Amino acid sequence: DIQMTQSPSTLSASVGDRVTITCRASQSISKWLAWYQQKPGKAPKLLIYEASIVESGVPSRFSGSGSGTEFTLTIGSLQPDDFATYYCQHYYGYFLSFGGGTKVEIE
Amino acid sequence: QVHLVESGGTLVEPGGSLRLSCAASGFTFSDFYMGWIRQAPGKGLEWISYISGSVTTIKYAESVRGRFTISRDNAKNSLYLQMDSLRVEDTAVYFCARDSGYSGYVFGNWGQGTLVTVSS
Repeated sequence: DIQMTQSPSTLSASVGDRVTITCRASQSISKWLAWYQQKPGKAPKLLIYEASIVESGVPSRFSGSGSGTEFTLTIGSLQPDDFATYYCQHYYGYFLSFGGGTKVEIE
Repeated sequence: QVHLVESGGTLVEPGGSLRLSCAASGFTFSDFYMGWIRQAPGKGLEWISYISGSVTTIKYAESVRGRFTISRDNAKNSLYLQMDSLRVEDTAVYFCARDSGYSGYVFGNWGQGTLVTVSS
């Protein structure tokens, strides 16, 4: 099975900061990666798919990049609504898996 | 708009069984893959299973294979998860989710989740 590793596990930042989260796959997954945002007590929300395509309705400050085994989610200018936990998910092959999550906290 | 509502979560003893349901509305149910994803208390997301619209493709995570069974009734716009031989480590909020429309394996719409607690 493909393992997904996110870093850091927790990130402290301030409003207006540029934030980058990394997701690494244990083998090449081409571009088959999605990013989700989850707030406490809520269901996850799809942000990005195919590594870099931003889902409709998602603010343009969110962007994704990468291919193969290393991927990044960038928030261009952190807003109060962005404090949440972020997960990557690969969809290469039939069996899916999520990264462990990155919690973005207020500094 | 897309609406997914899970039900059936409750307290069950280890070794017991439970059936979760997910009622879907706002889209043509049979056109989409559907999946189950769970989240143990204070932990991350874990993909459990998915099923294609035509029921020709079904996959399970290793952790539940042989114990859980996913199914759907397209006439009733409903998704199900039959959970047998439950273990303490199956305790989690269980989300049903619909594929995004871009790929059967990217989940664009989620329900609010239903809590399953396995404990004696």
